[in-house]
Amino acid sequence: GQQVMQIPQYQHVQEGEDFTTYCNSSTTLSNIQWYKQRPGGHPVFLIQLVKSGEVKKQKRLTFQFGEAKKNSSLHITATQTTDVGTYFCADKGGSNYKLTFGKGTLLTVNP
Amino acid sequence: DGGITQSPKYLFRKEGQNVTLSCEQNLNHDAMYWYRQDPGQGLRLIYYSQIVNDFQKGDIAEGYSVSREKKESFPLTVTSAQKNPTAFYLCASSPRGIPEAFFGQGTRLTVV
Repeated sequence: GQQVMQIPQYQHVQEGEDFTTYCNSSTTLSNIQWYKQRPGGHPVFLIQLVKSGEVKKQKRLTFQFGEAKKNSSLHITATQTTDVGTYFCADKGGSNYKLTFGKGTLLTVNP
Repeated sequence: DGGITQSPKYLFRKEGQNVTLSCEQNLNHDAMYWYRQDPGQGLRLIYYSQIVNDFQKGDIAEGYSVSREKKESFPLTVTSAQKNPTAFYLCASSPRGIPEAFFGQGTRLTVV
């Protein structure tokens, strides 16, 4: 089945530095979702991108969907310790409700 | 309270025993999902269901079984055929027409 590849697997930053995680697919995605999982918690939905070239912002978080709809990125500006967690991209392909996740990027922030 | 309830939070079983993990939702969501999470592996889809009495295999269905007799319930059975059952299991649900999936708190299964 369709897979989304996510890089990097881990990222450690100093508080205040920026952070970016990337999600790539070999095939065109109908949409892309992003989730955050805090340590010891469960994934929580952040956003969905649907349109080619779409850019959405949530405070310090910027989400992009590539023009070819084969890649996506999540960028955090000026990280804070509250940003710690694993960020997942996910593909909800077509009309069959199948929701497939990437392996995630674990972000740790040094205060 | 509305939400997804997984029980129990921690579960211990002896090798060779089947075990059933509970997932109940009172959100009136059509779709439900089971994922397995291992360190460094992300969330791997085991089974999913779009409607009552129908379900599809995900990417790692071998050694697992599910049922969807009621809209609110989607129990997962980890059978003795599952070679490495120790993991964190997450259940999720999603309403029709809405992209967001809502997750339960998870069940951490340890097989000894």
